[in-house]
Amino acid sequence: GENVEQHPSTLSVQEGDSAVIKCTYSDSASNYFPWYKQELGKRPQLIIDIRSNVGEKKDQRIAVTLNKTAKHFSLHITETQPEDSAVYFCAASIRRWVTGGGNKLTFGTGTQLKVEL
Amino acid sequence: ETGVTQSPTHLIKTRGQQVTLRCSSQSGHNTVSWYQQALGQGPQFIFQYYREEENGRGNFPPRFSGLQFPNYSSELNVNALELDDSALYLCASSLETGRTDTQYFGPGTRLTVL
Repeated sequence: GENVEQHPSTLSVQEGDSAVIKCTYSDSASNYFPWYKQELGKRPQLIIDIRSNVGEKKDQRIAVTLNKTAKHFSLHITETQPEDSAVYFCAASIRRWVTGGGNKLTFGTGTQLKVEL
Repeated sequence: ETGVTQSPTHLIKTRGQQVTLRCSSQSGHNTVSWYQQALGQGPQFIFQYYREEENGRGNFPPRFSGLQFPNYSSELNVNALELDDSALYLCASSLETGRTDTQYFGPGTRLTVL
């Protein structure tokens, strides 16, 4: 089955700096890659996702890049703020783009991001 | 915040008991997925229900079972509880259209098995 590895497990940056979290996946058939943010005691929330037909996607301070050949994808957060502090999870799935096609997400182990003042 | 709700919030059971967890999906969604999140780990896929039918299952034993109801709410049942079943159980609802299916998570149920 699919295996997703995520690095680093903890990341500490100064406010205003950039943060990069990297994930690798094992199944070359994976075609959907979401990123979730989970604050302490709260539910995971989708922050950005990318499909395999796109190499990069950006949403304000957040961007995701995908390298299908190397089977890795990365989350980039620019101009970090204290409220960015949370655990970030990457995930991968083989998405069949038909109604009822199913979407089993395989998650990485998470990155604890701490933004220091 | 999403419209996905779960009950109960917390639950304490003893080994060997059975438990039922509930999830109310977001209005308009037809799919519910269940995940187990152990402390310090990422969520692990248990199974998914689409329009009342199981639509994919992860590496969990048969004592983990589920249901989806006509209103698309769902239950997760776990029989013969083991200590390792202690975890946060998350459900996620989505609208499976074939073009988009972003999964929106509920707040989770914290299960402790003693």
